Amino acid sequence: GAGVSQSPSNKVTEKGKDVELRCDPISGHTALYWYRQSLGQGLEFLIYFQGNSAPDKSGLPSDRFSAERTGGSVSTLTIQRTQQEDSAVYLCASRAGTSGTTGELFFGEGSRLTVL
Amino acid sequence: SQQGEEDPQALSIQEGENATMNCSYKTSINNLQWYRQNSGRGLVHLILIRSNEREKHSGRLRVTLDTSKKSSSLLITASRAADTASYFCATDAFNDYKLSFGAGTTVTVRA
Repeated sequence: GAGVSQSPSNKVTEKGKDVELRCDPISGHTALYWYRQSLGQGLEFLIYFQGNSAPDKSGLPSDRFSAERTGGSVSTLTIQRTQQEDSAVYLCASRAGTSGTTGELFFGEGSRLTVL
Repeated sequence: SQQGEEDPQALSIQEGENATMNCSYKTSINNLQWYRQNSGRGLVHLILIRSNEREKHSGRLRVTLDTSKKSSSLLITASRAADTASYFCATDAFNDYKLSFGAGTTVTVRA
């Protein structure tokens, strides 16, 4: 696609339910990032995928959070047994280039999660 | 943890004035980038400066980098109402490709 696509754009769920957030990166981008942004705050790194390498999961806040990237393209972030503190905007970004390079990240519009 | 810290947290200026914001970071970096976020939207990349560069320009944007002080500044000249947004610096370290973002500077440009 032309840009990074995220769905759903808004999700309201009840405490204790599981949610899945989807990210479709720019075609051909090998690197994919998930960040979390709480209201009025900066971005908190969650997880990073690069090609077929093992993902960097160092930012996941608890074992309720997991993410996968199938076929090196679409990624799904799953939050199990959601808590109110999980309420935030979840941003996905992709980047061209292989491991060993850095550069511009292209962000999606985010998925706003509200846990009641 | 957040590597970059922007200063000030908020800035209000008149259209046509210049806006300057600063970013300080803690550990050695490979690159430093600046991003803009309009309210409720995703982030948009503005400019990247490498650790061996000291200054870079892009249109009305000027970025400086002082690695000895571990700081960077973003200058927006002749500001417009459309520049109203939050601005974030982001750094990555050598062999660590996750970008660490600061908390951002919120800029309001008054017409």
